[in-house]
Amino acid sequence: EAGVAQSPRYKIIEKRQSVAFWCNPISGHATLYWYQQILGQGPKLLIQFQNNGVVDDSQLPKDRFSAERLKGVDSTLKIQPAKLEDSAVYLCASSYRPNTDTQYFGPGTRLTVL
Amino acid sequence: LAKTTQPISMDSYEGQEVNITCSHNNIATNDYITWYQQFPSQGPRFIIQGYKTKVTNEVASLFIPADRKSSTLSLPRVSLSDTAVYYCLVGDTGGGNKLTFGTGTQLKVEL
Repeated sequence: EAGVAQSPRYKIIEKRQSVAFWCNPISGHATLYWYQQILGQGPKLLIQFQNNGVVDDSQLPKDRFSAERLKGVDSTLKIQPAKLEDSAVYLCASSYRPNTDTQYFGPGTRLTVL
Repeated sequence: LAKTTQPISMDSYEGQEVNITCSHNNIATNDYITWYQQFPSQGPRFIIQGYKTKVTNEVASLFIPADRKSSTLSLPRVSLSDTAVYYCLVGDTGGGNKLTFGTGTQLKVEL
């Protein structure tokens, strides 16, 4: 079975620029998660979708971050404008059901903001 | 959110058994305990999950005492390839207590 796909794998931008990340979850997985992982820390949940609806976005900096999951499959996470502190790895994960079901993670996108 | 506490790092040698203990004093009745493994430049990978007593799969065992305030991940006969960060998470199926990653335990296995 194909895993979670993410692109791009690496991105370097200047502060105040915009950037978007794409995620394609495992087929049939209704739940999709976006995490931010800063170097040396564990992943921090930014947003959780159930199908195409948002279940939890309590830790998403909504003034600059946005995410959507049109048609309940692929998802896009956008940052506009980026700040230096947004430098991190952005991980996408999916699971068949929410919460305690096994989450399958993609390889992540490493973002560097200069 | 159920808070977990793990050692920051552990060292071991190939062939040894490694036990990583996680403390979760405020675990709720509906919470499950889940462990993930993360290698550098990769996303975390599910290892094992349990609710009480002992769970064993092909890669690890999970020991949970009766009070469930802690749990121990046991890795039998580790190899160099087990060098990774191990995360203990606590959360429930209903979404009331979401799975939250802590800082994890960096396990280093040497020859």
